[in-house]
Amino acid sequence: DTAVSQTPKYLVTQMGNDKSIKCEQNLGHDTMYWYKQDSKKFLKIMFSYNNKELIINETVPNRFSPKSPDKAHLNLHINSLELGDSAVYFCASSRLAGNNEQFFGPGTRLTVL
Amino acid sequence: SQQGEEDPQALSIQEGENATMNCSYKTSINNLQWYRQNSGRGLVHLILIRSNEREKHSGRLRVTLDTSKKSSSLLITASRAADTASYFCATDAGANSKLTFGKGITLSVRP
Repeated sequence: DTAVSQTPKYLVTQMGNDKSIKCEQNLGHDTMYWYKQDSKKFLKIMFSYNNKELIINETVPNRFSPKSPDKAHLNLHINSLELGDSAVYFCASSRLAGNNEQFFGPGTRLTVL
Repeated sequence: SQQGEEDPQALSIQEGENATMNCSYKTSINNLQWYRQNSGRGLVHLILIRSNEREKHSGRLRVTLDTSKKSSSLLITASRAADTASYFCATDAGANSKLTFGKGITLSVRP
């Protein structure tokens, strides 16, 4: 069974569109994350939710809005997509207590044309 | 700001050889973690070392941590072609469960 899953795996869209990426984890973890990995493989945290509450919000344009309907799901909605948003977006989860070992989803490759 | 800096950026070795990758960081940490990323895949956790530990082993992996030098190394012994991947160190400074990743090292193991 997939521990952390994301949909879609690939997303190709035009500039200015609005799109969403969904993430689900079946590990029973309390904390979920969104990361952005650029073309040079640099991985940067965007958001983190603990039990549906936002706990990390890095300097991210407000066109990006995370939504956590429950602690097993963390979705990412992006408004008015720009060329620079093209990247691979990873969802991850971890237990709140413990050593913060994170489990990653397979990634969503977003291409903005 | 980026915390971990790995070196070398790329490493190419022959199957059976050992691979050593280094990571340096800037601030105090609770723990340091190493992850592997195969091409087109998500990151996979390999090993975690706490700030009060100096060395840790897991199978063919050996991690060391020197908090006085703010550095860590990952040694993969008897490498295999399947070890070909990018390797990232990540530091946990204890603030809101945030991990800060380095830029990664690309390891190529030639059969």
